[in-house]
Amino acid sequence: EAAVTQSPRNKVAVTGGKVTLSCNQTNNHNNMYWYRQDTGHGLRLIHYSYGAGSTEKGDIPDGYKASRPSQENFSLILELATPSQTSVYFCASGGNWGYYAEQFFGPGTRLTVL
Amino acid sequence: GDQVEQSPSALSLHEGTGSALRCNFTTTMRAVQWFRKNSRGSLINLFYLASGTKENGRLKSAFDSKERYSTLHIRDAQLEDSGTYFCAAVTGGYKVVFGSGTRLLVSP
Repeated sequence: EAAVTQSPRNKVAVTGGKVTLSCNQTNNHNNMYWYRQDTGHGLRLIHYSYGAGSTEKGDIPDGYKASRPSQENFSLILELATPSQTSVYFCASGGNWGYYAEQFFGPGTRLTVL
Repeated sequence: GDQVEQSPSALSLHEGTGSALRCNFTTTMRAVQWFRKNSRGSLINLFYLASGTKENGRLKSAFDSKERYSTLHIRDAQLEDSGTYFCAAVTGGYKVVFGSGTRLLVSP
């Protein structure tokens, strides 16, 4: 069974503060993804990665950075958090390089920026 | 741009009944994936289709890339089926586009 974990599960941050969301996968997938999901909307892609050392911009990358230090780990970084970044963030893994395969999601991180 | 229109946005069913969810695509998609977001907020994989149909218990999904749609049929709905259902389509350029979700409430 695919295994994607996220930490923290809940986070309250202050405006202007730095936030790091972490994701770990044990599926040995090359591709990893960060999405945010807001009420009434589907998931929107922030950043993704094709493998260790690779990060690519998704559809809504502004205000976010990503880091992929290893095959297993993919982090999402908010250098200067803003209230508009209050959301639920999902990490996923699936597929290799540019080819899509079934994605498996982590449990989500609920971020509140005050 | 590539878009996914998911309908209905909300659906209420009584236990034992059934219905269908649908995603229409503005362009040809390579594959589609269906998820359920449960009460704990977790995304549960339901189906991944590159073509044709798949069935799993009381759920059945179909994907027609030529006609640009996918459906998810639920029969004999149970209380635990409640949640928000999402489709996610893979574009020709291997981007993934999500529908806005269908909130399903199953009541006794």
